[in-house]
Amino acid sequence: AQSVAQPEDQVNVAEGNPLTVKCTYSVSGNPYLFWYVQYPNRGLQFLLKYITGDNLVKGSYGFEAEFNKSQTSFHLKKPSALVSDSALYFCAVRDGWTRFGAGTRLTVKP
Amino acid sequence: NAGVTQTPKFQVLKTGQSMTLQCAQDMNHNSMYWYRQDPGMGLRLIYYSASEGTTDKGEVPNGYNVSRLNKREFSLRLESAAPSQTSVYFCACQTSDSYEQYFGPGTRLTVT
Repeated sequence: AQSVAQPEDQVNVAEGNPLTVKCTYSVSGNPYLFWYVQYPNRGLQFLLKYITGDNLVKGSYGFEAEFNKSQTSFHLKKPSALVSDSALYFCAVRDGWTRFGAGTRLTVKP
Repeated sequence: NAGVTQTPKFQVLKTGQSMTLQCAQDMNHNSMYWYRQDPGMGLRLIYYSASEGTTDKGEVPNGYNVSRLNKREFSLRLESAAPSQTSVYFCACQTSDSYEQYFGPGTRLTVT
């Protein structure tokens, strides 16, 4: 079974609107969860992580993510999207080693 | 601090040729990783090294070998390149406590 899934290949939002990029996971025990961002022709950059504690995790560039154990989800959110947020976003879970989702391309239109 | 560096940035090989992708980190982390990125498939782990002197297979190790030369350097070798190995290759190092990974800029490899 896939350890981490990103159900949307593409998310489009207007600048200034809230954005959500979805992620679900399927590992046993307490998961280590991550979000990374990739800009064109660059390596992945770490955004935020959940290990334990508060279910709402704050990260870089105004992003946050909500851990929901009952729904096995870890959705990435931002209250007000910027055009510069347009990039490829990867959810990841540590399951032996770190496993990455297929990625979601976020496009923020002016 | 350069973080994680990779060479070369681009490479074109003919089927059957060999090459080594180089990776170095100055972040003093024990763990290092090699991934390949293909469209629609995210990142897939090829090999990793939990510490100097150890290496282990990941999800897609066939056709590749690795060497952990010292704490800083972790190289990936293709002995006989195949078109299926056309991909973008990323090296990463990882913190020991919280498992955050830091990536190099990647090597874009084309095998014709």
